Amino acid sequence: GAVVSQHPSWVICKSGTSVKIECRSLDFQATTMFWYRQFPKKSLMLMATSNEGSKATYEQGVEKDKFLINHASLTLSTLTVTSAHPEDSSFYICSARAIGYEQYFGPGTRLTVT
Amino acid sequence: GQQVMQIPQYQHVQEGEDFTTYCNSSTTLSNIQWYKQRPGGHPVFLIQLVKSGEVKKQKRLTFQFGEAKKNSSLHITATQTTDVGTYFCAASGYALNFGKGTSLLVTP
Repeated sequence: GAVVSQHPSWVICKSGTSVKIECRSLDFQATTMFWYRQFPKKSLMLMATSNEGSKATYEQGVEKDKFLINHASLTLSTLTVTSAHPEDSSFYICSARAIGYEQYFGPGTRLTVT
Repeated sequence: GQQVMQIPQYQHVQEGEDFTTYCNSSTTLSNIQWYKQRPGGHPVFLIQLVKSGEVKKQKRLTFQFGEAKKNSSLHITATQTTDVGTYFCAASGYALNFGKGTSLLVTP
């Protein structure tokens, strides 16, 4: 299957700092990328959907100014958690999809805010 | 988006026993997808069901889509320790709406 990478795989940051997470589709052009959040032993919650070259669409309850998403190219989307707080600690997973194909998930990034 | 409910939340079986997880929706689904997530890993696509009453098999896994396209099930025959993980169903719209998952624990 197609490959989606995420970087970093884990990150620890101090409260108040910002963290950027990258999501790349390695062998296909992803017209749409999705960002999910997963708390321990919980399901995946869609945060936002991004299409290349346009603004991301955020789900209800997700703060746009806190979770900045940029989809600069057909193979790269970034999620920046701004002014992180301990409650932002979570597992963030991206997925990518080309038109007509299923979503392929990245390996996830575990964020811990101290 | 289309919401799905999944039961049970947890299932603990002895190796060799069968396992079933159910996914239900109050609305008709266009299709449904199943994913497996190993502990510490990311969701891996298993299958997509589209047609009413569809049944698909992957070795020991049997997937069904209800006649009304409002429910689906995943059945594992003779579980093995490698089946351990959380199984999610997801309703496919523009994005995926995941059920809460069923965590399967298999003890040898």
